[in-house]
Amino acid sequence: AQSVTQLGSHVSVSEGALVLLRCNYSSSVPPYLFWYVQYPNQGLQLLLKYTTGATLVKGINGFEAEFKKSETSFHLTKPSAHMSDAAEYFCAVSEPAYNFNKFYFGSGTKLNVKP
Amino acid sequence: NAGVTQTPKFRVLKTGQSMTLLCAQDMNHEYMYWYRQDPGMGLRLIHYSVGEGTTAKGEVPDGYNVSRLKKQNFLLGLESAAPSQTSVYFCASSSGREYTVGELFFGEGSRLTVL
Repeated sequence: AQSVTQLGSHVSVSEGALVLLRCNYSSSVPPYLFWYVQYPNQGLQLLLKYTTGATLVKGINGFEAEFKKSETSFHLTKPSAHMSDAAEYFCAVSEPAYNFNKFYFGSGTKLNVKP
Repeated sequence: NAGVTQTPKFRVLKTGQSMTLLCAQDMNHEYMYWYRQDPGMGLRLIHYSVGEGTTAKGEVPDGYNVSRLKKQNFLLGLESAAPSQTSVYFCASSSGREYTVGELFFGEGSRLTVL
């Protein structure tokens, strides 16, 4: 079974600073990779996804992530944090299959943005 | 577009009571899922469905039952609620195609407390 590890359950950055949220996965086949964001009392929304092709993926709100197969990583970055980025972020992986897409989620990283 | 709608959004139960959570999606998606979210544990799959009339167990199915009588609806039932089932429950859906992975679309969650 897949496992997804998000290093750091809480990350705190200052407004304007670089955001780096880490995600590593275990997979024996090329996975599909996702980052979701959850704002307080809301469901999860897709930030970005990697399926095939370019390994640097751009998402909404200025976020991007890079798929590094050799490191089995898919870290999420944003050059300059904004107060509105405060939320919980989840990394997820899935493997294409014949009749079912099963998603494996990391335990989440809460991002705090300080003024 | 409503997307994925969950009802109710909040519920308090006493131990041993039963209840049903309703999920409805208007995107004509084949796959539907029920997850539970607990602090520090990410999302764990309870049950899922790959189409109308089908259901299957996920990672943590014990104490829950599901039904998918109509393509757009996926019901999660608790026959005899226990305090360990206090959680936030999320329904999600995705399009189903062979060997492709569609993103998950989430509802806003249902917060259940079992006393």
